[in-house]
Amino acid sequence: AQSVTQLDSQVPVFEEAPVELRCNYSSSVSVYLFWYVQYPNQGLQLLLKYLSGSTLVKGINGFEAEFNKSQTSFHLRKPSVHISDTAEYFCAVSDNTETNFGNEKLTFGTGTRLTIIP
Amino acid sequence: NAGVTQTPKFQVLKTGQSMTLQCAQDMNHEYMSWYRQDPGMGLRLIHYSVGAGITDQGEVPNGYNVSRSTTEDFPLRLLSAAPSQTSVYFCASRAGLMNTEAFFGQGTRLTVV
Repeated sequence: AQSVTQLDSQVPVFEEAPVELRCNYSSSVSVYLFWYVQYPNQGLQLLLKYLSGSTLVKGINGFEAEFNKSQTSFHLRKPSVHISDTAEYFCAVSDNTETNFGNEKLTFGTGTRLTIIP
Repeated sequence: NAGVTQTPKFQVLKTGQSMTLQCAQDMNHEYMSWYRQDPGMGLRLIHYSVGAGITDQGEVPNGYNVSRSTTEDFPLRLLSAAPSQTSVYFCASRAGLMNTEAFFGQGTRLTVV
C-alpha cells in the first residue's frame, strides 16, 4: 500500500515569485509519481509524471518536479508564477510492479491550494 | 473529444433517497474509478473497475454500489443517502497501465439534506 503526504495545505505566493509545493510518498514497492492540477470548479488534469529515467521531469505551464528516491520526495516547482496558476495541486502515486488486479489504483495526497498574490 | 462525462453536475437529495451518478468515457479505457473529494482530505477512492464485469472496493466504499456492464459506463449508486455523503464526486478513467495518466470528469456536486 502507498501513501502520499502534502504537508502544505495552502501556499500563498506573490506573482512572478518562485514556488515549491512539497510531496513525500511512502511505498513498499517502486512507484510512478504524478502531479495533477485542479482549477476552480473543474476536474483534475495531469501536470507531469515521473515514470523512469531522468529524475527531473518537465510538465505543462512551466512546472517541473524532481524525483528524489532517497528522500522519497517529488516536489513541484515553478520559477515564476502567474495569476492563472491559482489552483489546487495534487500529488499522486501508482504501483510500479507487474500488473495485478488493484495495482492500477492511484493514491492521492490531500492537496495544496496555491494562491497567487498580485 | 468528450473524454469522461459525468451527469448530473449538481444534485440535492433528501436523507434516505437513492440515486445513480452516471459516468461514461469514450476512450476505450479499461480502468475506471470513482473518487469523492472533501475539504482537507484530497481524493479518496470509493470503487474501481479494471474492466467490464470486474469491480472492487476502494478506501471508502460503504453506502455506495457499482457495476460495470460495458467498457464505456461505470455508474455509482447511492443506496440510501446520508448527510455524510455530501461531497464532490469524480469519475476517472485510465488506459489500464500503471504509468498512464487518469482522465477526470468535471465532477458531480452532491448535497444531502
